[in-house]
Amino acid sequence: DAGVIQSPRHEVTEMGQEVTLRCKPISGHDYLFWYRQTMMRGLELLIYFNNNVPIDDSGMPEDRFSAKMPNASFSTLKIQPSEPRDSAVYFCASSPGYSIETQYFGPGTRLLVL
Amino acid sequence: AQSVAQPEDQVNVAEGNPLTVKCTYSVSGNPYLFWYVQYPNRGLQFLLKYITGDNLVKGSYGFEAEFNKSQTSFHLKKPSALVSDSALYFCAVSNGNTPLVFGKGTRLSVIA
Repeated sequence: DAGVIQSPRHEVTEMGQEVTLRCKPISGHDYLFWYRQTMMRGLELLIYFNNNVPIDDSGMPEDRFSAKMPNASFSTLKIQPSEPRDSAVYFCASSPGYSIETQYFGPGTRLLVL
Repeated sequence: AQSVAQPEDQVNVAEGNPLTVKCTYSVSGNPYLFWYVQYPNRGLQFLLKYITGDNLVKGSYGFEAEFNKSQTSFHLKKPSALVSDSALYFCAVSNGNTPLVFGKGTRLSVIA
């Protein structure tokens, strides 16, 4: 397996624009997680899915953020409209379970909002 | 609620010396503890985990960690540090009923 795949790896956009981040989890993993990493706040869990269903989105910072998982092999995280404070590295991870199973992280998307 | 404390933002160690990266946790119920490593411009990689059993857990790249229930600690150790061990290390905890909660990370710098 190629591991968790994320695209794009880098994104530079202007404030107010829509940003869509994409993730392909490892085949057979039932759980998918979206994280945000910043220097100030460290690694934050934004939302996670079980079998394509969102379970907990309490970490999503604002209504500007939304996430979907239309099937077992694809998820998106969308920011609309984007703001400079959204600049961060966004990670997707997948796992066979959500607590005691190992999570496998993608390489991340580095987002810069100007 | 679960929480993890990594009291050191930065740890510096000379190559060949033993290293320790500290982690303490707070959890309701039984703790399930993890260490992950992040190299520059990469995602987090799993190193080792404690679920149950032997308090000394061995993991990838010669790392090990000791679960200490009385001190609520799970420190990461390696007998002899390599320059290539320089990275950001994350401790994480769950009680089995919630997703992992990660610490803020400790940057390890191994100096040749």
